[in-house]
Parts: sequence; structure tokens; C-alpha cells
Amino acid sequence: GAVVSQHPSRVICKSGTSVKIECRSLDFQATTMFWYRQFPKQSLMLMATSNEGSKATYEQGVEKDKFLINHASLTLSTLTVTSAHPEDSSFYICSALEGTHSNQPQHFGDGTRLSIL
Amino acid sequence: QQQVKQSPQSLIVQKGGISIINCAYENTAFDYFPWYQQFPGKGPALLIAIRPDVSEKKEGRFTISFNKSAKQFSLHIMDSQPGDSATYFCAASISGYSTLTFGKGTMLLVSP
Repeated sequence: GAVVSQHPSRVICKSGTSVKIECRSLDFQATTMFWYRQFPKQSLMLMATSNEGSKATYEQGVEKDKFLINHASLTLSTLTVTSAHPEDSSFYICSALEGTHSNQPQHFGDGTRLSIL
Repeated sequence: QQQVKQSPQSLIVQKGGISIINCAYENTAFDYFPWYQQFPGKGPALLIAIRPDVSEKKEGRFTISFNKSAKQFSLHIMDSQPGDSATYFCAASISGYSTLTFGKGTMLLVSP
């Protein structure tokens, strides 16, 4: 089956640090990847849609200068949380769209637990 | 508004019983309805999905029932096992758009 690898699985860092999270599709090419944020016992909140070779599309209320997204290849998208603060602590999950057509399965990574001290 | 309402919020089922989770949607343009299973500290995993041209889809112990006129769909887990204890999310999307609209999730606990 389609596998999405997300790294690191957990990050603990000081306030003001920038943190980069990687999302890789291991056995398929993903033109489109997504970044979500999930608070405890809540649903997934879409932050942005990342398309290979173009600028990401951010959801309303998500600061694009705070959450930098780069989708430089068909198998890798990165999310950088710049100058992270405690309120940025959350569970960040990426997903990759298998195929280039809509209504294809989204496959999720195992998430990154970000804790800002 | 593109919204998917999921119920119940939590569910306790005895081992061997049937777990039923329901979702309702408002936007008739939705035409793809997946269900995801999420264990603590992990990302969601696709369980099963359905399109509105069929009323039911079964994969092993998991069945989706779809009622287009009522704009509702549900997940049935037959012979529920303790290993099924997880959070389940329904979702929906529209042809031509790749983003998913998620329900709020249902925490299922299957007691031994």
C-alpha cells in the first residue's frame, strides 16, 4: 500500500526556534500534499495544500509567513514552523494524494508532535 | 456550508458487537466519502471509501452504508474487537477538488 513517511515524529524545542518537518511519499509520486494540524481529541484542521513546483495554498487564518511550505519534488514536501512559540505546540500531520485526479485516496503520515517550551 | 456532522462523539461496544458511526452532510456536491481510523499518536489510516453510485460497500468487517436522499452515510464494524478501539473520522470531498472535509471524530472503545 501507499506509504507516507513523516519526520521527525517528535520535536521539543525552545521558543523562537524554527522547526522543519518532512513529508515523503515512499512508493508513489504525489503532485499534491496536505498539511494538517490536530489538537487533542479534535478533528484534523487543514492548514495548507502543497502542489509540486508551485506555491502552497493556505487556508483562511493560517499565516503563510509563519508556516513555510516547500514542495520541491513529487515525493517530498516540508513544513517549517518559523520562530515557534508555545501556542504552536500541536500535532502536525501531512498527507499525500495518490494520483493526479480528484477523489483519489489521501494517505497520511504518522504525524509530528511539536512541543515548544 | 461544507460541513460533515458525525455522531456519536464516543461509543463503547462489547467485544463481538456491532459498532455504528453515523455522518450527515449538507453539500450535495460531495461525491466521495472515505472513513479513516486513527490510533493515539498516529496519523489517520484510510479504512474504506464509497461513492454515491452505490448504497453499500463492504470490506471485511467494515461496511459503509450510503443514503443519498437523506445525505447520510454510516460505518458499521461487525464483530468489533478490542484492537478496533480508535478514533474514527468520516470525510467528504467534491470531484475536481482534492481537499477533504472531516467530521469531528468518534472515539470507539471495544471492551473485552
